[in-house]
Amino acid sequence: TQLLEQSPQFLSIQEGENLTVYCNSSSVFSSLQWYRQEPGEGPVLLVTVVTGGEVKKLKRLTFQFGDARKDSSLHITAAQPGDTGLYLCAGYLNTGTASKLTFGTGTRLQVTL
Amino acid sequence: EAGVAQSPRYKIIEKRQSVAFWCNPISGHATLYWYQQILGQGPKLLIQFQNNGVVDDSQLPKDRFSAERLKGVDSTLKIQPAKLEDSAVYLCASSPLAGSYNEQFFGPGTRLTVL
Repeated sequence: TQLLEQSPQFLSIQEGENLTVYCNSSSVFSSLQWYRQEPGEGPVLLVTVVTGGEVKKLKRLTFQFGDARKDSSLHITAAQPGDTGLYLCAGYLNTGTASKLTFGTGTRLQVTL
Repeated sequence: EAGVAQSPRYKIIEKRQSVAFWCNPISGHATLYWYQQILGQGPKLLIQFQNNGVVDDSQLPKDRFSAERLKGVDSTLKIQPAKLEDSAVYLCASSPLAGSYNEQFFGPGTRLTVL
């Protein structure tokens, strides 16, 4: 079973549309990160959210951490072809001796002209 | 600043053969991670090193996978013998410290195909 479920799995939209990606879990995370991964490359960090209810904005991207620190969302306004990629949420769980980053199932976004 | 380097970028082997991957983290980064990313899924942590010591290897299939980071810098991940289900991208990442807020910097990965 996957600890972090993302929805939708796939999203194909046209340039200019808005979209929201969801990341849900039954576990409480000490922090949550969003990464973007392009084909043939490793994931690149977009944002880290730490406090329950926290909202962070990065240009046209808005990230929210749930009040209970179990879920998160990513909203993109006026999507552009350059936003195309695999979006991954990842949560840090404290496992005693180490903080372990667990990745979600991923959302593949395609933005067309 | 140079990023995380991995080699080879691609590898094709037959089942039951052995394979090794190499990773050179960002200079000065104490923590190194190996992840397995199966097509269509998010990365799964295989092993985490802090300097040259293992912090977490709970998801490493130890009957066939091994990893080392002898001098606390670069690292190798080995699979012996490989199975069909090992086909995946193997990602190496590093971070300055281990902790709940740290950014992990990923290499481009090694795509392994087991036939």
